[in-house]
Amino acid sequence: TQLLEQSPQFLSIQEGENLTVYCNSSSVFSSLQWYRQEPGEGPVLLVTVVTGGEVKKLKRLTFQFGDARKDSSLHITAAQPGDTGLYLCAGRPPDSNYKLTFGKGTLLTVNP
Amino acid sequence: DVKVTQSSRYLVKRTGEKVFLECVQDMDHENMFWYRQDPGLGLRLIYFSYDVKMKEKGDIPEGYSVSREKKERFSLILESASTNQTSMYLCASSRPSGNTIYFGEGSWLTVV
Repeated sequence: TQLLEQSPQFLSIQEGENLTVYCNSSSVFSSLQWYRQEPGEGPVLLVTVVTGGEVKKLKRLTFQFGDARKDSSLHITAAQPGDTGLYLCAGRPPDSNYKLTFGKGTLLTVNP
Repeated sequence: DVKVTQSSRYLVKRTGEKVFLECVQDMDHENMFWYRQDPGLGLRLIYFSYDVKMKEKGDIPEGYSVSREKKERFSLILESASTNQTSMYLCASSRPSGNTIYFGEGSWLTVV
């Protein structure tokens, strides 16, 4: 069973601070996705990374896929209260066309 | 705009009742999924369907069944609800080999 470990589990910061959350595994994934989930809602896809070493930017969010495709990070610059939510990473094993392995998430709170 | 709609957002059922959770997607996706999400456990796959009338067990199928009579609709059935099935249930859909999974808003089920 492939596992994805997310850290930290909880993060509470002030508006304007920067932060990084991590998603790590000992297994290789063919692609990795990041989702944000707001309370009482379903997860919403933020980005998919497929190439080792790939970096994608989405406004103040920067996503990186590790060279070996075993890990990923999400960096948020100048966090805002609207960034508050549960951030989930999900990896697709190389031998599966449909199955995703989800991390347990990082719960981010950005205080005004 | 892509849409996965779960018919019931909040349900309260009694132990032993039969429960139906309905999900409809309007994207003509072949793949549909049912997950449950619990604090500290993350998202766990219950069942997956890759075509009409086709289904595969996920990681935690015990106590659940599914039905897919039409491409756009995927139903989760709890034959005899138990208190340990109290959870948030998420439906999702995707294209075959698609990296992007679209989630519904979730159904909160409480079994008393």
